[in-house]
Amino acid sequence: EVQLVESGGGLVQPGGSLRLSCVASGFSFSKYWMHWVRQAPGKGPIWVSRISGDGTSTTYADSVEGRFTTSRDNAKNTVYLQISGLRVEDTAVYYCALEVFDFWGQGTLVTVSS
Amino acid sequence: EIVLTQSPATLSLSPGERATLSCRASQNINSYLAWYQQKPGQPPKLLIYDASYRATGIPARFSGSGSGTDFTLTISSLEPEDFAVYYCQQRTNWPAFGQGTKVEMK
Repeated sequence: EVQLVESGGGLVQPGGSLRLSCVASGFSFSKYWMHWVRQAPGKGPIWVSRISGDGTSTTYADSVEGRFTTSRDNAKNTVYLQISGLRVEDTAVYYCALEVFDFWGQGTLVTVSS
Repeated sequence: EIVLTQSPATLSLSPGERATLSCRASQNINSYLAWYQQKPGQPPKLLIYDASYRATGIPARFSGSGSGTDFTLTISSLEPEDFAVYYCQQRTNWPAFGQGTKVEMK
C-alpha cells in the first residue's frame, strides 16, 4: 500500500526557515518523480515543486523560486522541502504527491505569523 | 503561463441530479488535464486523468471529456458523498490547478 507521510510543519516567524519531510512507503521510491503542493486556507491547491527519481532534476513554481529547495534521500525513502525567507503568504498545508498525483500525503500545516 | 478557469464557482444540486463542471484553459493543453475531488481536511483525490480516463477505483458515474482548451467533468447522478470541491489541473510543464467548483447540496 502506498503511503506518504509529511512532517515538519509548525508556527514560524516571518523570515524564518523550515524543512518539511515526506516519508514514502509501498512503492519503489527512487523510480518516481515527487511533487510538493501547497494549499492556503480556503484556497485551491498550488503546485510548488517537483524532483526527479534520482534527485538530479528539480523544477519550481515562479512564486517560490530561490526560496524553496527540494531534495531527496532515496536511502531513506524521503523527499524534503527546505523553505527559507518565510512570508505570511506561505501559510498553507503542504502536501507531497507521487509522480502522477494519484497518491497524496495528509499534509503538514505551516503557519507564518509574528 | 497557462491559466485554468473553472465554472461555475458553486453548483447547488440535489442527490440524483446530474452535475456538469467546466474547465477552460488559456491555451491548448491537448488532453493533459486531470480532475480532483477534495473534501474538508483531506488532500485532493484524483478522479480523472488525460481528460477522460478514470483513476483506479473511481465509480463510473464520474466521466471526463474535452481536449484543447475546453473540458468537462460530469457526475451522472449525484450521491451524498459527491458533495465536495472539484479542481481541474493541467499537466504540462507547470502543473497548475483551477480555482475550484463547489458542489453543494440544494
